[in-house]
Amino acid sequence: AAGVIQSPRHLIKEKRETATLKCYPIPRHDTVYWYQQGPGQDPQFLISFYEKMQSDKGSIPDRFSAQQFSDYHSELNMSSLELGDSALYFCASSPRQGSYEQYFGPGTRLTVT
Amino acid sequence: AQTVTQSQPEMSVQEAETVTLSCTYDTSESDYYLFWYKQPPSRQMILVIRQEAYKQQNATENRFSVNFQKAAKSFSLKISDSQLGDAAMYFCAYRSVFTTSGTYKYIFGTGTRLKVLA
Repeated sequence: AAGVIQSPRHLIKEKRETATLKCYPIPRHDTVYWYQQGPGQDPQFLISFYEKMQSDKGSIPDRFSAQQFSDYHSELNMSSLELGDSALYFCASSPRQGSYEQYFGPGTRLTVT
Repeated sequence: AQTVTQSQPEMSVQEAETVTLSCTYDTSESDYYLFWYKQPPSRQMILVIRQEAYKQQNATENRFSVNFQKAAKSFSLKISDSQLGDAAMYFCAYRSVFTTSGTYKYIFGTGTRLKVLA
C-alpha cells in the first residue's frame, strides 16, 4: 500500500539559510499535518491543511510557512534557520472523513549547523 | 486545552514477559480518540492501537491491549510476551472528535522508552 512520502529524508543547512520540505500524502487523502520532533521530545503540531486551505495552526514560528497544492502535496518552507530548528519533521495525512488516525511519513531530519 | 502525560520516561522488560506503559490525559470533551504509537530507532511513527472513548470495551491488537479507564482519564498499554522488536519509544496521543478548524491535530505525551532485555 502507498504510504506518505517525504523528501528529502535528510537535510543539512547552515544558520540563516532556508529549507523546503515536501510531503506527498497517501492517494485520496486530502488532509495534511506537519509535526516537529526535537531531539528527545514528543512531536509538536505545527500546521494542518484540508483541501488546500490552512485549517489549524500550532506552534509554527513566523519564519515558517506552508501550503498545500492542487495535487494535495504540501511544502513546509523554513527561512532564517536557527540551530533550534534542528529536528525531525513529520508529515501525516488522513482522509477528511471516516478516518480516526493519521498516517505518518518517515520524516525529514533537518540539521542546522 | 487537552494534555497528555506519560510519567514513565523509561521502562524495562524481560523478553517474553509483560509490561504496562501508563498514560493519563486531561480533557473536558466527552468523546475523543486515544492512540498508542511506537517509534523505533528508525524514527518511523507506527500506530500500535487505538481506542474510541465511546466504546467501553478495551481495544486489543494481538499482543497489545489497553486498559481504558474513562472516568480516571487513564489509558495504559499492556504488551504481552515482549519481543526484542518491541524495543522503541512509545507515545500516547489524543485526538478530538469534533473540530472547529476542520482538521484534527494529535496531542502527544512525552513518550516512554521501552527496553527489552534478552
